[in-house]
Order: sequence, then structure tokens, then C-alpha cells
Amino acid sequence: ELKVEQNPLFLSMQEGKNYTIYCNYSTTSDRLYWYRQDPGKSLESLFVLLSNGAVKQEGRLMASLDTKARLSTLHITAAVHDLSATYFCAVDNTNNAGNMLTFGGGTRLMVKP
Amino acid sequence: KAGVTQTPRYLIKTRGQQVTLSCSPISGHRSVSWYQQTPGQGLQFLFEYFSETQRNKGNFPGRFSGRQFSNSRSEMNVSTLELGDSALYLCASSAGRTTEAFFGQGTRLTVV
Repeated sequence: ELKVEQNPLFLSMQEGKNYTIYCNYSTTSDRLYWYRQDPGKSLESLFVLLSNGAVKQEGRLMASLDTKARLSTLHITAAVHDLSATYFCAVDNTNNAGNMLTFGGGTRLMVKP
Repeated sequence: KAGVTQTPRYLIKTRGQQVTLSCSPISGHRSVSWYQQTPGQGLQFLFEYFSETQRNKGNFPGRFSGRQFSNSRSEMNVSTLELGDSALYLCASSAGRTTEAFFGQGTRLTVV
């Protein structure tokens, strides 16, 4: 059974600081996704990582994937208040052509001025 | 380009009743997945439909069912509602295996 673990579960940081969220998963997968969720809202897609060594960046966020270590990271550079949200990683290891995401528990990020 | 549309946005039902939720995917997307989000269990996969066939299924009781129509719109049904079914139900559509799933705004179901 695929398990996805994120840490930390809660992160309070000052504006301008850097930090990394970690996502570990238990079985082989070649598809990993990062989503953002604002309170009371749906999930917004941030990154799709499809191969070992994949790195993607958008603004102050950068995601990477190490399939051998079964680890993905979401790095936040010079955090700003607008980044406050809950971030989820999700892994899809279906061998067929389907889509079935297993989500981590989420990291609630609070950026303080 | 229209996004994923879920209706209704909010529902209040009584224990023992049944409920039907609807999801219209992004035009051209044939895969529709359903997820349940609760504070205690987080985000959990319910099932996925592709071309009117259930392709994957999560670990939920048989009270949870779904279907997909020829226009890719999907419905999920929960029968004999329990208090624990109170949750945000999210629908996602996808164009293929290597693209992201786009989520709708969700239906917040409250069972009283």
C-alpha cells in the first residue's frame, strides 16, 4: 500500500526566509504532484514531476524529485505572506493509464510579516 | 476555457438519506476522479472513471458509488448517509496519465 508522508505538518516562518517541505513516499512511482489549498478552497496545481531529477520552478517555489530516494522537496525562497496556504504532495503509482492520487497529510504554511 | 464544475456547492442532509453530487470536467478530459477531504482523514481517493468505466477504486464502502456519462460528466452517489460522511467532496479531471488533475471547487456535504 502506498503511503505518502509530508513534513513538517505545520510551518510558521518569517517573510524573507527560506524553507523546505519534504514529501516521502513508500513505493515506486514516476508521477508526483504538488498542490496548494487556501482555506475553504479547492486544490490548485503547482507542479507535475515525472522523472528522476526533475526540477521545476515557479516564482518563489521550486520542486524537485528523487525517485531513487522516493523523496520530493518543495523549496520556498524569500517567503511572502501570499504564500500562506496548505501544500500537499500527491503520488500516483497506478500501473495502468489511470489517475489515482495518494496525498500526503499536507503542510500548513503560515508566513508572518 | 471553463474549469471543472461541481454542483451543488453546499448540501445539508439528514442521516439515512442519500445524496447525488455532479461533476462536469474540463472539455476534452475523459478521466474524472473523486476525492473525499476531511480534517481527520485528509484527502482520500474514492474512484476514477474513464470513458464511462470505473478504472480505479479506493477503499470506501459500497454506499459510495459513481457513474460517468457519454459526455464525460460524472455523478457520485452516497446512500444511507452517516455523520462521518460529512466532508468536502472534490472532483478532478485529467487529460491523460502524465498531466495534472484539475480540481473543481468541491461540494461541502454536511450530514446532521
